[in-house]
Amino acid sequence: QSVLTQPPSVSGAPGQTVTISCTGGASNIGATYDVHWYQQLPGTAPKLLIYGDNYRASGVPDRFSCSKSGSSASLAITGLQAEDEADYFCQSYDSSLTASVFGGGTKLTVL
Amino acid sequence: QVQLVQSGAAVRKPGASVEVSCKASGYDFTNYYIHWVRQGPGQGLEWMGRINPRGGSTTYAQKFHLRVTITTDTSTGTVFMELSNVGPTDTAVYFCARGQFISGNLDSWGQGTQVTVSS
Repeated sequence: QSVLTQPPSVSGAPGQTVTISCTGGASNIGATYDVHWYQQLPGTAPKLLIYGDNYRASGVPDRFSCSKSGSSASLAITGLQAEDEADYFCQSYDSSLTASVFGGGTKLTVL
Repeated sequence: QVQLVQSGAAVRKPGASVEVSCKASGYDFTNYYIHWVRQGPGQGLEWMGRINPRGGSTTYAQKFHLRVTITTDTSTGTVFMELSNVGPTDTAVYFCARGQFISGNLDSWGQGTQVTVSS
């Protein structure tokens, strides 16, 4: 059971917009700790996608963006492309656990 | 360019220990944390702990606190993660990742090391 909660799966057609939520609590996202997002293609290591206040990692297209409100964060992907099909994870810091924490991951399917 | 190269796959019997190494290159080794994250078969990412190569201070997840030890050899830019008393549920891919001191994001990852625990 992950400290941060993500939907197990989302899907969308090419060109559409999808959002992936990441819900935490008062000791992590709600405590204004940064939320980071990672993309993991099958059989590969995770790759940093977005960090902090909506900063994209090097080479990440501006179709990817994030937002945060209260104890939740969201990753938005516009103009869906087949290559976006992957697992996506959110990460933050939890002050009660004094540890980094991850969401359970969301599998994005491009229809 | 930043590179984290991990040691090869390992197979252990229940109750044994396993050590995975992570050799860093392409940046100032002492200016970033090294974190360890594992991923069980078909599972999500699980944070295990981190080390500050500058001084060697460590922080471990409570779940692994008594079984994991992370150390560093600054002369070679290598970090080691040892997990003791392994069981079948420790079968996973283990990743090392470079972590920013301030923001906490993991901006570069090793290729992963498969650890299999089987009798």
